[in-house]
Amino acid sequence: EVQLVESGGGLVQPGGSLRLSCVSSGFTFSSFEGHWLRQAPGKGLEWLSYITISGDRRDYAESVRGRFTISRDNTKNSLYLQVNTLRAEDTAVYYCVREGRFCSGGICPGAFDLWGQGTVVTVSS
Amino acid sequence: QSVVTQAPSASGTPGQSVTITCSGSGSNIGVNHVNWHQQFPGTAPKLLIYDNDRRPSGVPDRFSGSKSGTSASLAISGLHSEDEAKYFCATWDVSLSAWVFGGGTDLTVL
Repeated sequence: EVQLVESGGGLVQPGGSLRLSCVSSGFTFSSFEGHWLRQAPGKGLEWLSYITISGDRRDYAESVRGRFTISRDNTKNSLYLQVNTLRAEDTAVYYCVREGRFCSGGICPGAFDLWGQGTVVTVSS
Repeated sequence: QSVVTQAPSASGTPGQSVTITCSGSGSNIGVNHVNWHQQFPGTAPKLLIYDNDRRPSGVPDRFSGSKSGTSASLAISGLHSEDEAKYFCATWDVSLSAWVFGGGTDLTVL
């Protein structure tokens, strides 16, 4: 089955850290760029970070730059997000997401075509 | 506040058509393609439309997308009760160097 499965969420105190993991199956993980997104309770979706296929380039949303670090291990078909210095406003469901490329006529627009079920991070004292 | 905006709610009756609009600017929708996602309560979003108007396999042709200038639209024809969900638009913003999402539109099928 083609899927992404996240883990590593939980309850953490402000200032604390977590390492979120995402294991893929059913497709060639090393052929896709990976992203992390989140959704705070009752809110919309927020893109957090992305990493290239080889891991040589990463990018972050301004809200998490310097606190979050994305990484991947293609030998383990896994994507990770190290989240540090957590704040109450980081409370959310965190999603691991695959970016598919839909090429036509030499143009390959991307889209988030596969999502994990999400892992819940709650930041509270 | 999202740089891409959507009406918070929309509604229709079974069999009707409804359109959900996403409004952006020259740094996002105006220069990049738009994708649409469908989300049911308590579940992860699902890709519904990509590259403005293309459907992934398995998405019914009742769902269609379009883009004009700095706005994009998702049209749902022949509404079914199971279409009741939240719909998000997504695009890349060149000024922010980030993917941005609309705030989402809750569709109610009356």
